Amino acid sequence: NAGVTQTPKFRVLKTGQSMTLLCAQDMNHEYMYWYRQDPGMGLRLIHYSVGEGTTAKGEVPDGYNVSRLKKQNFLLGLESAAPSQTSVYFCASTSTQAEAFFGQGTRLTVV
Amino acid sequence: AQSVTQLGSHVSVSEGALVLLRCNYSSSVPPYLFWYVQYPNQGLQLLLKYTTGATLVKGINGFEAEFKKSETSFHLTKPSAHMSDAAEYFCAALTSGSARQLTFGSGTQLTVLP
Repeated sequence: NAGVTQTPKFRVLKTGQSMTLLCAQDMNHEYMYWYRQDPGMGLRLIHYSVGEGTTAKGEVPDGYNVSRLKKQNFLLGLESAAPSQTSVYFCASTSTQAEAFFGQGTRLTVV
Repeated sequence: AQSVTQLGSHVSVSEGALVLLRCNYSSSVPPYLFWYVQYPNQGLQLLLKYTTGATLVKGINGFEAEFKKSETSFHLTKPSAHMSDAAEYFCAALTSGSARQLTFGSGTQLTVLP
Protein backbone atom coordinates (compact mmCIF):
# COMPACT_ATOMS: atom_id res chain seq x y z
CA ASN A 1 0.00 0.00 0.00
CA ALA A 2 1.85 3.07 -1.26
CA GLY A 3 -0.47 5.70 0.26
CA VAL A 4 0.15 9.10 -1.34
CA THR A 5 2.87 9.41 -3.94
CA GLN A 6 4.15 12.67 -5.38
CA THR A 7 6.25 13.03 -8.49
CA PRO A 8 8.74 14.49 -9.04
CA LYS A 9 10.53 14.88 -5.70
CA PHE A 10 12.82 17.66 -6.88
CA ARG A 11 12.69 20.06 -9.80
CA VAL A 12 14.46 23.20 -10.92
CA LEU A 13 12.62 25.43 -13.38
CA LYS A 14 13.54 28.57 -15.21
CA THR A 15 11.22 31.56 -14.90
CA GLY A 16 8.40 31.23 -17.40
CA GLN A 17 8.62 27.47 -17.81
CA SER A 18 5.66 25.24 -17.10
CA MET A 19 5.36 21.97 -15.25
CA THR A 20 2.87 19.58 -13.71
CA LEU A 21 3.14 17.92 -10.33
CA LEU A 22 1.38 14.60 -9.96
CA CYS A 23 -0.24 13.30 -6.80
CA ALA A 24 -1.51 9.73 -6.75
CA GLN A 25 -3.31 7.96 -3.92
CA ASP A 26 -4.34 4.34 -3.72
CA MET A 27 -6.70 4.58 -0.73
CA ASN A 28 -9.86 5.43 -2.68
CA HIS A 29 -10.07 8.78 -0.90
CA GLU A 30 -12.62 11.32 -2.07
CA TYR A 31 -10.79 14.44 -0.92
CA MET A 32 -7.41 15.65 -2.13
CA TYR A 33 -5.41 18.78 -1.43
CA TRP A 34 -2.36 20.69 -2.66
CA TYR A 35 -0.35 22.81 -0.24
CA ARG A 36 2.78 24.85 -0.38
CA GLN A 37 5.09 25.11 2.60
CA ASP A 38 7.27 28.14 3.14
CA PRO A 39 9.40 28.94 6.21
CA GLY A 40 7.35 30.51 9.00
CA MET A 41 4.09 30.26 7.07
CA GLY A 42 3.04 26.69 7.69
CA LEU A 43 1.12 24.90 4.97
CA ARG A 44 -1.07 27.08 2.81
CA LEU A 45 -3.84 25.52 0.78
CA ILE A 46 -3.55 26.09 -2.96
CA HIS A 47 -6.44 24.06 -4.38
CA TYR A 48 -8.46 21.11 -3.27
CA SER A 49 -10.94 18.59 -4.61
CA VAL A 50 -13.94 16.95 -2.96
CA GLY A 51 -14.35 14.34 -5.65
CA GLU A 52 -13.53 13.25 -9.17
CA GLY A 53 -14.13 16.05 -11.65
CA THR A 54 -14.38 18.76 -8.98
CA THR A 55 -11.86 21.34 -7.83
CA ALA A 56 -11.95 24.41 -5.61
CA LYS A 57 -9.65 27.30 -4.77
CA GLY A 58 -7.85 27.46 -1.49
CA GLU A 59 -5.99 30.28 0.20
CA VAL A 60 -3.27 30.90 -2.43
CA PRO A 61 -4.55 29.71 -5.84
CA ASP A 62 -3.06 32.38 -8.12
CA GLY A 63 -0.56 31.06 -10.63
CA TYR A 64 -1.70 27.45 -10.25
CA ASN A 65 -4.24 25.23 -11.92
CA VAL A 66 -5.43 21.76 -10.97
CA SER A 67 -7.33 18.86 -12.44
CA ARG A 68 -8.91 15.72 -11.01
CA LEU A 69 -9.90 13.66 -14.02
CA LYS A 70 -9.47 10.40 -12.12
CA LYS A 71 -10.34 9.84 -8.48
CA GLN A 72 -6.86 8.64 -7.60
CA ASN A 73 -4.92 11.47 -9.24
CA PHE A 74 -4.72 15.19 -8.49
CA LEU A 75 -2.51 17.28 -10.77
CA LEU A 76 -1.07 20.68 -9.95
CA GLY A 77 0.07 22.81 -12.86
CA LEU A 78 2.25 25.88 -13.08
CA GLU A 79 1.70 27.54 -16.44
CA SER A 80 4.45 30.15 -16.17
CA ALA A 81 6.70 29.61 -13.19
CA ALA A 82 7.88 32.57 -11.11
CA PRO A 83 10.59 32.73 -8.42
CA SER A 84 7.83 33.36 -5.85
CA GLN A 85 6.65 29.82 -6.51
CA THR A 86 9.86 28.37 -5.13
CA SER A 87 8.58 26.21 -2.30
CA VAL A 88 7.97 22.72 -1.05
CA TYR A 89 4.68 21.34 -2.30
CA PHE A 90 2.69 18.71 -0.44
CA CYS A 91 -0.26 16.70 -1.56
CA ALA A 92 -2.70 15.13 0.87
CA SER A 93 -5.79 12.96 0.70
CA THR A 94 -8.48 12.13 3.21
CA SER A 95 -11.58 10.04 3.53
CA THR A 96 -14.78 10.63 5.45
CA GLN A 97 -12.96 9.27 8.51
CA ALA A 98 -11.10 12.59 8.37
CA GLU A 99 -7.44 11.62 8.81
CA ALA A 100 -5.27 13.14 6.05
CA PHE A 101 -2.35 11.30 4.55
CA PHE A 102 0.52 13.22 3.02
CA GLY A 103 3.00 12.66 0.27
CA GLN A 104 6.70 13.19 0.87
CA GLY A 105 6.74 16.55 -0.86
CA THR A 106 8.16 18.12 -4.02
CA ARG A 107 10.94 20.64 -3.65
CA LEU A 108 10.61 23.16 -6.47
CA THR A 109 13.13 25.88 -7.23
CA VAL A 110 12.39 28.55 -9.83
CA VAL A 111 15.43 30.48 -11.00
CA ALA B 1 -13.27 31.10 6.47
CA GLN B 2 -11.72 28.68 8.86
CA SER B 3 -8.43 29.73 10.47
CA VAL B 4 -6.00 28.06 12.84
CA THR B 5 -3.67 29.98 15.11
CA GLN B 6 -0.63 28.53 16.79
CA LEU B 7 0.81 30.72 19.52
CA GLY B 8 4.58 30.69 19.55
CA SER B 9 6.51 29.91 16.40
CA HIS B 10 9.40 28.59 18.50
CA VAL B 11 9.20 26.79 21.84
CA SER B 12 12.19 25.54 23.82
CA VAL B 13 11.96 23.12 26.72
CA SER B 14 14.49 21.14 28.71
CA GLU B 15 14.60 17.39 28.38
CA GLY B 16 12.14 15.93 30.88
CA ALA B 17 10.07 19.11 31.11
CA LEU B 18 6.44 19.55 30.14
CA VAL B 19 5.70 20.31 26.50
CA LEU B 20 2.76 22.63 25.79
CA LEU B 21 2.01 23.76 22.24
CA ARG B 22 -0.99 26.00 21.78
CA CYS B 23 -3.62 25.90 19.05
CA ASN B 24 -6.86 27.84 18.59
CA TYR B 25 -9.36 27.54 15.76
CA SER B 26 -11.87 30.06 14.51
CA SER B 27 -14.88 28.10 13.36
CA SER B 28 -18.19 28.53 15.19
CA VAL B 29 -18.93 24.93 14.33
CA PRO B 30 -16.30 22.69 15.91
CA PRO B 31 -14.28 21.13 13.13
CA TYR B 32 -12.26 17.97 13.20
CA LEU B 33 -8.87 18.81 14.72
CA PHE B 34 -5.44 17.33 14.25
CA TRP B 35 -1.85 17.64 15.31
CA TYR B 36 0.87 16.66 12.88
CA VAL B 37 4.64 16.46 13.35
CA GLN B 38 7.24 17.11 10.69
CA TYR B 39 10.88 16.09 10.97
CA PRO B 40 13.45 17.80 8.74
CA ASN B 41 13.07 17.08 5.03
CA GLN B 42 10.15 14.76 5.63
CA GLY B 43 6.41 14.79 5.16
CA LEU B 44 3.81 15.21 7.88
CA GLN B 45 2.95 12.46 10.32
CA LEU B 46 -0.30 12.37 12.28
CA LEU B 47 0.16 12.60 16.05
CA LEU B 48 -3.49 12.58 17.08
CA LYS B 49 -6.95 13.66 16.04
CA TYR B 50 -10.24 14.76 17.50
CA THR B 51 -13.44 14.08 15.61
CA THR B 52 -16.21 13.45 18.13
CA GLY B 53 -16.57 11.94 21.59
CA ALA B 54 -13.98 12.16 24.34
CA THR B 55 -12.37 15.58 24.47
CA LEU B 56 -9.02 14.31 25.76
CA VAL B 57 -7.28 12.58 22.91
CA LYS B 58 -4.16 10.45 23.24
CA GLY B 59 -1.75 10.10 20.39
CA ILE B 60 1.56 8.54 19.53
CA ASN B 61 4.86 9.13 21.32
CA GLY B 62 3.15 10.11 24.59
CA PHE B 63 1.41 13.20 23.25
CA GLU B 64 -2.15 14.15 24.07
CA ALA B 65 -4.46 17.06 23.36
CA GLU B 66 -7.65 18.37 24.88
CA PHE B 67 -10.49 19.83 22.86
CA LYS B 68 -12.12 22.76 24.67
CA LYS B 69 -15.11 24.07 22.78
CA SER B 70 -15.65 27.03 25.10
CA GLU B 71 -12.08 28.21 24.44
CA THR B 72 -11.94 27.05 20.78
CA SER B 73 -8.65 25.44 21.68
CA PHE B 74 -6.84 22.18 21.02
CA HIS B 75 -3.53 22.43 22.88
CA LEU B 76 -0.93 19.68 22.59
CA THR B 77 0.91 18.41 25.65
CA LYS B 78 3.49 15.85 26.67
CA PRO B 79 4.46 15.38 30.33
CA SER B 80 8.15 14.80 29.73
CA ALA B 81 10.05 15.98 26.66
CA HIS B 82 12.56 13.76 24.93
CA MET B 83 15.35 14.84 22.62
CA SER B 84 13.64 12.96 19.79
CA ASP B 85 10.59 15.25 20.12
CA ALA B 86 12.49 18.11 18.49
CA ALA B 87 10.57 18.83 15.30
CA GLU B 88 7.98 21.16 13.84
CA TYR B 89 4.40 20.69 14.95
CA PHE B 90 1.31 21.72 13.04
CA CYS B 91 -2.25 22.05 14.22
CA ALA B 92 -4.94 21.59 11.57
CA ALA B 93 -8.71 21.86 11.29
CA LEU B 94 -11.01 20.13 8.84
CA THR B 95 -14.42 21.62 8.27
CA SER B 96 -17.21 19.08 8.34
CA GLY B 97 -19.80 18.79 5.61
CA SER B 98 -19.29 18.95 1.88
CA ALA B 99 -16.62 21.68 1.80
CA ARG B 100 -13.98 19.63 3.65
CA GLN B 101 -11.33 22.34 3.69
CA LEU B 102 -8.24 21.31 5.66
CA THR B 103 -6.51 24.37 7.15
CA PHE B 104 -3.16 24.43 8.95
CA GLY B 105 -1.62 26.70 11.51
CA SER B 106 1.75 28.30 10.84
CA GLY B 107 3.61 25.71 12.88
CA THR B 108 5.64 25.61 16.10
CA GLN B 109 9.28 24.58 16.07
CA LEU B 110 10.02 22.63 19.24
CA THR B 111 13.59 22.58 20.53
CA VAL B 112 14.52 20.22 23.35
CA LEU B 113 17.53 21.28 25.38
CA PRO B 114 19.76 18.72 27.11
